[in-house]
Amino acid sequence: DGGITQSPKYLFRKEGQNVTLSCEQNLNHDAMYWYRQDPGQGLRLIYYSQIVNDFQKGDIAEGYSVSREKKESFPLTVTSAQKNPTAFYLCASTRTMNSYGYTFGSGTRLTVV
Amino acid sequence: AQKVTQAQTEISVVEKEDVTLDCVYETRDTTYYLFWYKQPPSGELVFLIRRNSFDEQNEISGRYSWNFQKSTSSFNFTITASQVVDSAVYFCALSEAGYGQNFVFGPGTRLSVLP
Repeated sequence: DGGITQSPKYLFRKEGQNVTLSCEQNLNHDAMYWYRQDPGQGLRLIYYSQIVNDFQKGDIAEGYSVSREKKESFPLTVTSAQKNPTAFYLCASTRTMNSYGYTFGSGTRLTVV
Repeated sequence: AQKVTQAQTEISVVEKEDVTLDCVYETRDTTYYLFWYKQPPSGELVFLIRRNSFDEQNEISGRYSWNFQKSTSSFNFTITASQVVDSAVYFCALSEAGYGQNFVFGPGTRLSVLP
């Protein structure tokens, strides 16, 4: 079955460390997105990518970095510059940038210890 | 600017009760899309419905129904005869046409259905 796989499901990070969250899709979708979810708030867009080797900052990109070397993969790195990284991270994809049906992964919960 | 408001932070109902989740949106565009997503405890967002701004016809799908009213900028969601499996966080979202990345989510409403 096609879908989006995010790993790991839970991730613990020490302060000052960089960590990378994995997002893989086998839907042949062109566009991929990273969202952050905090308690009591909606999802906020971190980065998005329309095609391979291209990505754009979203609303809260500071302290994060991404790459899009393959169509199927859109990893997110949470750097030490991100002051409050503890959150739930969701990856999503759409067939194209102008498609309106997001497919979401099951998320990664990142906790700074 | 776009904005989505879900005034109900948490709702608790007893199984078999009907429950309505409110959503009010703001946009300057005349063409836009509205969505409802369900987030069960597993975390994944599940797509429920999409409605475009030119289609105010309300829809019923099984126990779910949606009431879209442009005059009041509202897109409410009703679950009839609620079940424990309906317990989740429900998000309303807005996307302006032509900008796939401009997807604004409301803060969500946590629904608890008690047996």
